[in-house]
Amino acid sequence: KQEVTQIPAALSVPEGENLVLNCSFTDSAIYNLQWFRQDPGKGLTSLLLIQSSQREQTSGRLNASLDKSSGRSTLYIAASQPGDSATYLCAVKAAGNKLTFGGGTRVLVKP
Amino acid sequence: DAMVIQNPRYQVTQFGKPVTLSCSQTLNHNVMYWYQQKSSQAPKLLFHYYDKDFNNEADTPDNFQSRRPNTSFCFLDIRSPGLGDAAMYLCATSLDGYEQYFGPGTRLTVT
Repeated sequence: KQEVTQIPAALSVPEGENLVLNCSFTDSAIYNLQWFRQDPGKGLTSLLLIQSSQREQTSGRLNASLDKSSGRSTLYIAASQPGDSATYLCAVKAAGNKLTFGGGTRVLVKP
Repeated sequence: DAMVIQNPRYQVTQFGKPVTLSCSQTLNHNVMYWYQQKSSQAPKLLFHYYDKDFNNEADTPDNFQSRRPNTSFCFLDIRSPGLGDAAMYLCATSLDGYEQYFGPGTRLTVT
């Protein structure tokens, strides 16, 4: 059974510092991995999707890496801003149409 | 803009009174999902439709039902809501199970 873990559960950084968010999964037989952002009381916004054949994916200040063999993905957010404060969730897709989510990392960027 | 729409955004129902949540999409995606998310927890998949095929998760209570009358709409019916069913309900769509796009969610309160 696939298990996805995100550590730490919460993170606080000063504005301008780079953010590093970690995601690990137990079964490397995945099709893709998605990173989401969730603001309090809101739905999920897809940030990046990395195919299993890819090593990384970039969008603006966001960069996500994937090491499938070791079961790890890292989301980097450069030059953090207070508007980056949110919960970040990773989810992996294996066979079938089901996403398995991690518990999320709650990020606070202090001005 | 193509999107996933959920109505209502907030729903209050009484204990045991049936309630229906609605999801519509303009993405023309063939897969639609319903998730339940409780406070500070990861989203939990309840079921999904792949085209017209309904796929129920093994641990989804019988109290939860779904209908998909056409490609664009999907409904979540809770036949007899209990206090433990208070949560955020998230609808998502994808094209053939690829990247999932989420709606803003419906916050359900049970009194």
